Amino acid sequence: EPEVTQTPSHQVTQMGQEVILRCVPISNHLYFYWYRQILGQKVEFLVSFYNNEISEKSEIFDDQFSVERPDGSNFTLKIRSTKLEDSAMYFCASSEAGGSYGYTFGSGTRLTVV
Amino acid sequence: QKEVEQNSGPLSVPEGAIASLNCTYSDRGSQSFFWYRQYSGKSPELIMSIYSNGDKEDGRFTAQLNKASQYVSLLIRDSQPSDSATYLCAVIITGGFKTIFGAGTRLFVKA
Repeated sequence: EPEVTQTPSHQVTQMGQEVILRCVPISNHLYFYWYRQILGQKVEFLVSFYNNEISEKSEIFDDQFSVERPDGSNFTLKIRSTKLEDSAMYFCASSEAGGSYGYTFGSGTRLTVV
Repeated sequence: QKEVEQNSGPLSVPEGAIASLNCTYSDRGSQSFFWYRQYSGKSPELIMSIYSNGDKEDGRFTAQLNKASQYVSLLIRDSQPSDSATYLCAVIITGGFKTIFGAGTRLFVKA
């Protein structure tokens, strides 16, 4: 069964450092997403991406965040200057049709900012 | 603010019983509704989608939708200990590209 692959599975970084989280969506999917889940809290929408541009973003997705599809397979989330409150599980997801059939999530990257 | 509300639980049922999970949503124009299962420390996994009023069955799972009441539910028949997880209700917001998740209901199935 096709999978969404995320790397790394766990990243520890110092406050103020830049991090890049990587995702390889399912190859025939056209819509890509980043969500985050702070421990014990709900899964929160960050950003959706289609046709090489952001289609929607949340209030959380401020100027410290950016996304990129640098080639035909990878989809990255960059956090420019990490804060303690950025510590969370970050999930990448992809879908065929704008999410109408649901998402396939990757296994996540646990980001710990110290 | 578009919201999806769920009872956080935990909901505890004995093995073999029916587990009933409920969800309400605030965006009256929403058209697509989902249930995801999330095991502790894992990512959400899609288990059911429903788009029209009524029931939709898939194996031991039945999703129910009532758009007039803005209410979605999930029934799990013959519950198994392996069904113990957090169940997330999710809704695509009208006119948007995002799915909004509820906080989830924790289900425990006792052997």
